[in-house]
Amino acid sequence: DTGVSQNPRHKITKRGQNVTFRCDPISEHNRLYWYRQTLGQGPEFLTYFQNEAQLEKSRLLSDRFSAERPKGSFSTLEIQRTEQGDSAMYLCASSPPDGNTIYFGEGSWLTVV
Amino acid sequence: SQQGEEDPQALSIQEGENATMNCSYKTSINNLQWYRQNSGRGLVHLILIRSNEREKHSGRLRVTLDTSKKSSSLLITASRAADTASYFCATKSNQFYFGTGTSLTVIP
Repeated sequence: DTGVSQNPRHKITKRGQNVTFRCDPISEHNRLYWYRQTLGQGPEFLTYFQNEAQLEKSRLLSDRFSAERPKGSFSTLEIQRTEQGDSAMYLCASSPPDGNTIYFGEGSWLTVV
Repeated sequence: SQQGEEDPQALSIQEGENATMNCSYKTSINNLQWYRQNSGRGLVHLILIRSNEREKHSGRLRVTLDTSKKSSSLLITASRAADTASYFCATKSNQFYFGTGTSLTVIP
């Protein structure tokens, strides 16, 4: 499978716990994006990387959220001290250097109880 | 905030009919894209139209773009039950912004 891979696909956690999601982009895609999506809404931009550099962060990305892409390949999105409002699907996407089209993974569902 | 807004929010049609969805956006764009999302799944790219194009076809899909009105439409002809999904437009300036989506239900 050469698509964007995300894991875990589902995560249930207690409020206050930390969670980490991983994204493996399509090979040779130098851009990687994280989005959040809640029911009935479109994906909301969180952040994106070009290679290992984090070029833009949304104001939605509070201090409890951190994303990394240390070697310019896979990326992790960590949420610290989770809150019920963090419950959502977290989508990762990648794009090739021309950047005209992004390709999504299947998403990681987070439920905070 | 999201730049794109789709209209209608929900659309229900009979199999075989055509479905038209509209998207309005706010700022200048390099291109506009349409994506499809089945329930609980990731988004799948359908078609891209560049800012200097007015119309584009791909199979049963027809996309138009009017940059003067900052709007685009997606037409799905001869709809099938398998077309049931949410459809999003996305605009790219520095990065991609998505609309709120149109939920399409095709009744067999």
